[in-house]
Amino acid sequence: DAKTTQPPSMDCAEGRAANLPCNHSTISGNEYVYWYRQIHSQGPQYIIHGLKNNETNEMASLIITEDRKSSTLILPHATLRDTAVYYCIVRVVYTGTASKLTFGTGTRLQVTL
Amino acid sequence: GAGVSQSPRYKVAKRGQDVALRCDPISGHVSLFWYQQALGQGPEFLTYFQNEAQLDKSGLPSDRFFAERPEGSVSTLKIQRTQQEDSAVYLCASSLGAGEKLFFGSGTQLSVL
Repeated sequence: DAKTTQPPSMDCAEGRAANLPCNHSTISGNEYVYWYRQIHSQGPQYIIHGLKNNETNEMASLIITEDRKSSTLILPHATLRDTAVYYCIVRVVYTGTASKLTFGTGTRLQVTL
Repeated sequence: GAGVSQSPRYKVAKRGQDVALRCDPISGHVSLFWYQQALGQGPEFLTYFQNEAQLDKSGLPSDRFFAERPEGSVSTLKIQRTQQEDSAVYLCASSLGAGEKLFFGSGTQLSVL
């Protein structure tokens, strides 16, 4: 799986949008971009994923550049409960075969009052 | 159950002792993954099952680590002759199929003294 680069930490004021960048310049055409987050003392939690189109769900939006070499996870109205480590992962997705997630060190997002 | 369940939540072992960590995946999930997470690091892949078949064990750090899933449901990760460097959080994840999103348990925190 392609490697990703994320800033080690970011701060965001509560109620503001949190924009978390990820660089994946060596991504292949058959690799998806996944985002997970890990709140202290819990296992990672799936947020969103995409291939080349922008995606939105009840948790977040994912913006992928046209060349697919970078992406941004957007939490539109951050709350204190969004304080966590956010992992950007690129993953080949096949049906019927193993497709593990390879985690990096992520971005530690601190949401403040 | 509602999610992936792991037990025990905490385990303290003396160096040289054998330990067994249990994972109850979400009912009906075919794929099961084990990860190891050292303090301050992202989770690292250990092994993967599809039903009862162990298809990938490339991440197991030594032959002291052994995992099984005999009936394609509950899985056990066994560590023999534990060493201090085995101290970590061990995470289990399951997914509906090989290419689907992973759901993680809260992990077992193993401390080897």
